[in-house]
Parts: sequence; structure tokens; C-alpha cells
Amino acid sequence: ETGVTQSPTHLIKTRGQQVTLRCSSQSGHNTVSWYQQALGQGPQFIFQYYREEENGRGNFPPRFSGLQFPNYSSELNVNALELDDSALYLCASSLYQVANYGYTFGSGTRLTVV
Amino acid sequence: GIQVEQSPPDLILQEGANSTLRCNFSDSVNNLQWFHQNPWGQLINLFYIPSGTKQNGRLSATTVATERYSLLYISSSQTTDSGVYFCAVWNTGNQFYFGTGTSLTVIP
Repeated sequence: ETGVTQSPTHLIKTRGQQVTLRCSSQSGHNTVSWYQQALGQGPQFIFQYYREEENGRGNFPPRFSGLQFPNYSSELNVNALELDDSALYLCASSLYQVANYGYTFGSGTRLTVV
Repeated sequence: GIQVEQSPPDLILQEGANSTLRCNFSDSVNNLQWFHQNPWGQLINLFYIPSGTKQNGRLSATTVATERYSLLYISSSQTTDSGVYFCAVWNTGNQFYFGTGTSLTVIP
């Protein structure tokens, strides 16, 4: 059974650029959730994808968007990067769209915006 | 959303000491989990504990749902216990609400 894998592990981008982060869900899981964790803070919910549709969104602007593919992997896209977007981005997969016991997190992508 | 507060924010322990981490939450919940974030950033699930008490080796957790708090106990701490501990709760919808964490440092 493979866990949740995220790529890349680290990334440096310039303000105004666009970035795409990737997540492969754990085998058997059909739901992917994305979280942003700023330095010294707890993770904050960005959005969730279930059966290739967005299924709930936190308090993040539209320049944060995502996709889920038929194999349940997912992408997080951020446009017009701002300095405050610098954070650890965590992906979690689960079976079904509710936050339940089966939540499994990846190791994250650390994004630095300069 | 649900407010989650954790205390203390920072904790430094001598190896072998015991500790108690606390999590208070502002509303009734259907799910509460404790996570340990390792140095590489991955959140490792420690306990699924919406109510009651559970133990796993040197770790145990208690949630008193009616009083809206949970406690994580670490006994005979080891250097490998160092890291950040998060409490996360869910009631309805599809997101966890995380606290700001307790950063634990265990010194030899």
C-alpha cells in the first residue's frame, strides 16, 4: 500500500509567477484535500476534491485552484503568487469526502515566494 | 468554523520526563485527532479520539467531549518525541480545523 506522495518537495518562485503542486493519493482513496501551513501555524483548509469535482473550499481566493484526475491524483495551482503564499502545502487523501479516521497526509511541498 | 486552542505553545523536557498537552475546542465535534508533525513536515496520525481514552505505548489521550477538551499524555519522553503536536477537529462538512500546535523539544 503506497502512501500519499507530493512533488516537488521544495520550490522557489518569484512574486507574480504561477505554480503547480502535485499529489498522488493513497491507494484506494478517492478524496484529496489540500491545506496551507504557514510558518508557526496549524494547517488551514484550502479545498477538497471528490470524484474530480471541488467539494468544499476554505477561505482562499480564486487564484488558488485545483484539479483531480480519474486516478484520484490532484494538482493545486496558485496564480499571481504573493509573498504571503510562502508556506508548506500539505495534501491529504481519504476514502469518502468527510474528514474521518482514514485521513493520510503527505510530507508536503515547501513553497518560497521571493 | 471551530476554534481550536492548544497549550502550552512550547515545551522543553528532559529525556524521561512526562508531559501533558491540552486542546480546547469551541463547538461539539464528531472527530478529534492528534497528529505529530515530523521534521520533514509529514503529519502522522497518533490517535482518533472523539471521546474517551486510548493508549498506545508511551502515549495516551483522553477527550471529554461534553467539556470540549482533549489531553495528550507523553510518558518517559525520548528525543524522538520532539516535534510539533497538533490537535484537529471536525464536526460536519469536509475539513479539519487545526490548532496552532505544541512544539516539544526533548533534550538528552
